[in-house]
Amino acid sequence: DTAVSQTPKYLVTQMGNDKSIKCEQNLGHDTMYWYKQDSKKFLKIMFSYNNKELIINETVPNRFSPKSPDKAHLNLHINSLELGDSAVYFCASSPWTGKNTEAFFGQGTRLTVV
Amino acid sequence: DQQVKQNSPSLSVQEGRISILNCDYTNSMFDYFLWYKKYPAEGPTFLISISSIKDKNEDGRFTVFLNKSAKHLSLHIVPSQPGDSAVYFCAASARKSYNTDKLIFGTGTRLQVFP
Repeated sequence: DTAVSQTPKYLVTQMGNDKSIKCEQNLGHDTMYWYKQDSKKFLKIMFSYNNKELIINETVPNRFSPKSPDKAHLNLHINSLELGDSAVYFCASSPWTGKNTEAFFGQGTRLTVV
Repeated sequence: DQQVKQNSPSLSVQEGRISILNCDYTNSMFDYFLWYKKYPAEGPTFLISISSIKDKNEDGRFTVFLNKSAKHLSLHIVPSQPGDSAVYFCAASARKSYNTDKLIFGTGTRLQVFP
């Protein structure tokens, strides 16, 4: 039973298109994240949501717009895709316990822009 | 500005021996450190963590050591097994500073355990 699931796993699209990646977690966590792993394998946070509210936006271009319809879902919409957006995108979630805790990651979505 | 660094991109260890993966950080506000393991085409999987108030945490074959004065942590795997072959990411968080559990990741070390 998958804890954090992303769809699709692979996405190939042309420059200029608009695409979405969906993420769902069944762990009952309050906080969800989007991370990006680029071609150099750097894993960097993009967004963090807590109970559907945006709390971190790490200077990501406004072509990227996260949307959280409820605390179990955090989708990522990308407009006007560019070649440089090609990367692996990971969704993650963690509980909001007041203490430090680990995040649980989805399997990733490999986005290729051609 | 890479706040978490893993200077060894790869490590090769014989089965049964100890694997030692190293990580350095620059931000003194980090108060929680984690190690993640990642297989190809999968997401990172949490392995072990340590709070900044401790200097050692052990879980089975995995032990993490933290040296705050040197801003250095290490992951020891003993004995190493072929199934441990993966990329290991060091990560850090600073909940009090960021008011969130966002993780700052190192660049990863690819561990290969051979028979």
